Amino acid sequence: NAGVMQNPRHLVRRRGQEARLRCSPMKGHSHVYWYRQLPEEGLKFMVYLQKENIIDESGMPKERFSAEFPKEGPSILRIQQVVRGDSAAYFCASSPTSALAAEAFFGQGTRLTVV
Amino acid sequence: AQKITQTQPGMFVQEKEAVTLDCTYDTSDQSYGLFWYKQPSSGEMIFLIYQGSYDEQNATEGRYSLNFQKARKSANLVISASQLGDSAMYFCAMREHGYNKLIFGAGTRLAVHP
Repeated sequence: NAGVMQNPRHLVRRRGQEARLRCSPMKGHSHVYWYRQLPEEGLKFMVYLQKENIIDESGMPKERFSAEFPKEGPSILRIQQVVRGDSAAYFCASSPTSALAAEAFFGQGTRLTVV
Repeated sequence: AQKITQTQPGMFVQEKEAVTLDCTYDTSDQSYGLFWYKQPSSGEMIFLIYQGSYDEQNATEGRYSLNFQKARKSANLVISASQLGDSAMYFCAMREHGYNKLIFGAGTRLAVHP
């Protein structure tokens, strides 16, 4: 049973370009979360999605950032017109349920560098 | 507001000794869960242990145990018999009932010395 798969592992974008980060949850998991980690900091929640629905986007910046989890295919975190401050590690996690004790399984992360 | 505080930016321990990593939390909810994750230098997040707010026993998983003191709102991680491979960042996190997101602390960097 493959774990949470994120790609690419590393992504370099010039300022103003778009970044697309992909996440395939574990098999059977319908709950997906995106987190951002700045250097030497903890993870910050961005968005929580279930299939075709955004459930909680309270951590998403209001502009340039969007996320989707379509019926078929991976979840996508999209950052338009990237700026240097977007450089960070972006982690995706999935869980089988929304229960309080449900363990969130994390992917390896995508390290975005904006030059 | 939900908040996790890890007051130790860095800790070191001798191999084979025990170490305690501190975590305090702030919540007004009665139902919540507490998690510890390990992040080695390779970057992945590895789940270690979970404690529910209504659990009467402290959680244990192998060499990991959670010292849960509800009245003090603390959930310290105890690692027994430290190994060199335990050197990593350790994050405490909380999830409140009705919310699915995890709130993370800033982390503690643990170095295990031979």
